[in-house]
Amino acid sequence: DTEVTQTPKHLVMGMTNKKSLKCEQHMGHRAMYWYKQKAKKPPELMFVYSYEKLSINESVPSRFSPECPNSSLLNLHLHALQPEDSALYLCASSQDATSSSYNEQFFGPGTRLTVL
Amino acid sequence: DQQVKQNSPSLSVQEGRISILNCDYTNSMFDYFLWYKKYPAEGPTFLISISSIKDKNEDGRFTVFLNKSAKHLSLHIVPSQPGDSAVYFCAAPASGTYKYIFGTGTRLKVLA
Repeated sequence: DTEVTQTPKHLVMGMTNKKSLKCEQHMGHRAMYWYKQKAKKPPELMFVYSYEKLSINESVPSRFSPECPNSSLLNLHLHALQPEDSALYLCASSQDATSSSYNEQFFGPGTRLTVL
Repeated sequence: DQQVKQNSPSLSVQEGRISILNCDYTNSMFDYFLWYKKYPAEGPTFLISISSIKDKNEDGRFTVFLNKSAKHLSLHIVPSQPGDSAVYFCAAPASGTYKYIFGTGTRLKVLA
């Protein structure tokens, strides 16, 4: 199984809503990532979890709250978002998060988020 | 500072011909480079990679060339097929981290 799955595929939410994005992988990977991608732009890293601990937060606003309940799951909790947060949110995983080794990241299909 | 650059936002190629996608970088400390392919409404899919100690890596129709002195890499697709139409990103891990730095992408259109 070389798949990263994400739910939901599409999400529309108001600025006062609370919602969560979910990501799952069963490849035994110990590093998981959240990216945000706007149209015609490359993916931008938001968070990195390594061995279920948050290791990188790329100065993401607190209205985005990541959670890693176990080594296979990664959530992104959303609260009080702004319309400019509308984007494709991608989850990825890699074998580990060490910089010294080759580490291909496997991406999920993404959640298309629209904030009204 | 854009450490990984793809200066051509789009490229059109006839089916059966060669597609050449280019990527330039400024950081000579990158250990390896990767190419990802992305269809609309899907996540990026890994295509091919190259270690910084090599100058060529080939996988079927896809070959990546690395010119370290020019800090330039290119992805060759031959023969190009309509199904290759997608956005292609080159990426490299930031030195000392596992954070990928992505180029801005090149949209390839293969014309039947």
